[in-house]
Amino acid sequence: AQSVTQLDSQVPVFEEAPVELRCNYSSSVSVYLFWYVQYPNQGLQLLLKYLSGSTLVKGINGFEAEFNKSQTSFHLRKPSVHISDTAEYFCAVIKGGSEKLVFGKGTKLTVNP
Amino acid sequence: GAVVSQHPSRVICKSGTSVKIECRSLDFQATTMFWYRQFPKKSLMLMATSNEGSKATYEQGVEKDKFLINHASLTLSTLTVTSAHPEDSSFYICSANDGTRAGIEQFFGPGTRLTVL
Repeated sequence: AQSVTQLDSQVPVFEEAPVELRCNYSSSVSVYLFWYVQYPNQGLQLLLKYLSGSTLVKGINGFEAEFNKSQTSFHLRKPSVHISDTAEYFCAVIKGGSEKLVFGKGTKLTVNP
Repeated sequence: GAVVSQHPSRVICKSGTSVKIECRSLDFQATTMFWYRQFPKKSLMLMATSNEGSKATYEQGVEKDKFLINHASLTLSTLTVTSAHPEDSSFYICSANDGTRAGIEQFFGPGTRLTVL
């Protein structure tokens, strides 16, 4: 079964610092990869997705992620975070041929002033 | 575009009663809808997948008689929690896709907070 590992359950950073949230997935022939953000008591908002093509994907709010097939990773990065980026971030994968999203356990990003 | 709504956003009910949660795709036709459950500080757990006009497919361990899912139209799916108990208290989130190539992406509703007293 497909699995997604988010290695860090919590990441505290200071405002304007860079951040990387790590995500690894179990290998598959083809996968589609997603990062979602969830603010308290809200649903999920898509940050970015990798379906095919360029391995560097740019998303909303200044986030980007790089698909690395050899390392089966899809780490999320932002060069300079804001207080408003404080939220829970979920990495998710759809295995080719399936329609089911498999989520990682989430990473709580806290941006401190 | 691709907006999904849920109603109600928050519901409190007494133990033993049934609660219905609606999930609507507002500006697209949702060939497939998904229902998730999220426990506090936890990830999303897929409960079931529903396609319009057919029976929902439940994930292992999810009681189909307790969590009734109806996908009556291409824009509406409902989740009914029957004879709710305090352990059913949770955050329920639906999502939908439109069945196209880009429909690999799921669009999420804002969630419904259920509290069973």
